[in-house]
Amino acid sequence: AQKVTQAQTEISVVEKEDVTLDCVYETRDTTYYLFWYKQPPSGELVFLIRRNSFDEQNEISGRYSWNFQKSTSSFNFTITASQVVDSAVYFCALSEALNAGGTSYGKLTFGQGTILTVHP
Amino acid sequence: GEEVAQTPKHLVRGEGQKAKLYCAPIKGHSYVFWYQQVLKNEFKFLISFQNENVFDETGMPKERFSAKCLPNSPCSLEIQATKLEDSAVYFCASSQSAGVSPLHFGNGTRLTVT
Repeated sequence: AQKVTQAQTEISVVEKEDVTLDCVYETRDTTYYLFWYKQPPSGELVFLIRRNSFDEQNEISGRYSWNFQKSTSSFNFTITASQVVDSAVYFCALSEALNAGGTSYGKLTFGQGTILTVHP
Repeated sequence: GEEVAQTPKHLVRGEGQKAKLYCAPIKGHSYVFWYQQVLKNEFKFLISFQNENVFDETGMPKERFSAKCLPNSPCSLEIQATKLEDSAVYFCASSQSAGVSPLHFGNGTRLTVT
């Protein structure tokens, strides 16, 4: 069975601080996808990144960066120089990749979410 | 369109009434997924489709819940005889094949059962 653990329930930082959100996953699949989504107070789910299990290269996008470590089954997310607009719930999620007439995402297993509050 | 469109945004039903939610996937996406978010943080997978065919329905409650994706129509999720515990935000997501596109979610439908 798949499992995603976001051990940090809530994090509170002051603007301009760096913050890292942890994500640890469990799966028996050799091919899988990892995601991060942001859910701001307005409620929508904003896609941030997708990473497949064969690509361990870390990624940077502006103030966001992701550290994928297959050896420790972790996919951590760092926000550099945080801003008030970063305040949201962040979800890490895992999906197996299926082959059934095409490669499809299996169902997503979400972590419990981390509530990030950035104070001015 | 370039986004997953869910309607309505909010839906209020009395206990025992029927609720029907709609999802128009991104054009060209053949996979559609439904998720239920209860208590703000917990997501539960309900069902997925490949075109109009059910792909995985392991998360669907056996009674009262049904879903369809018909050609040239939005996909739908229907709850018969709603119960208080059905109150949640229901999200729809769509994708092409996993190697090509990420999984994009709609803005969700908030169902309140009173």
